[in-house]
Amino acid sequence: EAQVTQNPRYLITVTGKKLTVTCSQNMNHEYMSWYRQDPGLGLRQIYYSMNVEVTDKGDVPEGYKVSRKEKRNFPLILESPSPNQTSLYFCASSLRTGLDYTFGSGTRLTVV
Amino acid sequence: DQQVKQNSPSLSVQEGRISILNCDYTNSMFDYFLWYKKYPAEGPTFLISISSIKDKNEDGRFTVFLNKSAKHLSLHIVPSQPGDSAVYFCAASANTGNQFYFGTGTSLTVIP
Repeated sequence: EAQVTQNPRYLITVTGKKLTVTCSQNMNHEYMSWYRQDPGLGLRQIYYSMNVEVTDKGDVPEGYKVSRKEKRNFPLILESPSPNQTSLYFCASSLRTGLDYTFGSGTRLTVV
Repeated sequence: DQQVKQNSPSLSVQEGRISILNCDYTNSMFDYFLWYKKYPAEGPTFLISISSIKDKNEDGRFTVFLNKSAKHLSLHIVPSQPGDSAVYFCAASANTGNQFYFGTGTSLTVIP
């Protein structure tokens, strides 16, 4: 089944403890992206990747890192999480930029 | 600054009637528009799209209308069914851009 898989689905962590949210797609998509969804703000892009080893900032990149060492994986790294990063995170991929996304099921992160 | 706006956070419609969800955008460079549907605890799923060279696109019960001069698009669902109850996001992108910009979503409830 063609899909985008995110893990974990739910995570509660403490301020400052590094964490990684994994994202993997099995559709050979070139483009991958991370979004966060917050009440009243919709989905905002954090980082995106046009292809392997090519990543760039979206609209809200502060406090996040990403890497794209392989085509299928695009992990989101929070080196020192803070409470304002409590949010619902979605990974998305598309065959190439400009085409409609396939989204993962989301990761609900709470930073206390 | 929100480039894509959905001004109605919620909408309730009787089963069998028409649902109309609205979306406004500010960036005149946007030329491709999507609607996504999101159920609780799932990621958004692609519903229908429209390019700026068209003013209407139909797919079964779903029709999207685009009014470029007003920078407005709408999604019509006819007839509405209880299974259509979900949050609907509109999204827009520019040909030269690297991301989709999402609205804040409209929660549709179809009453049996």
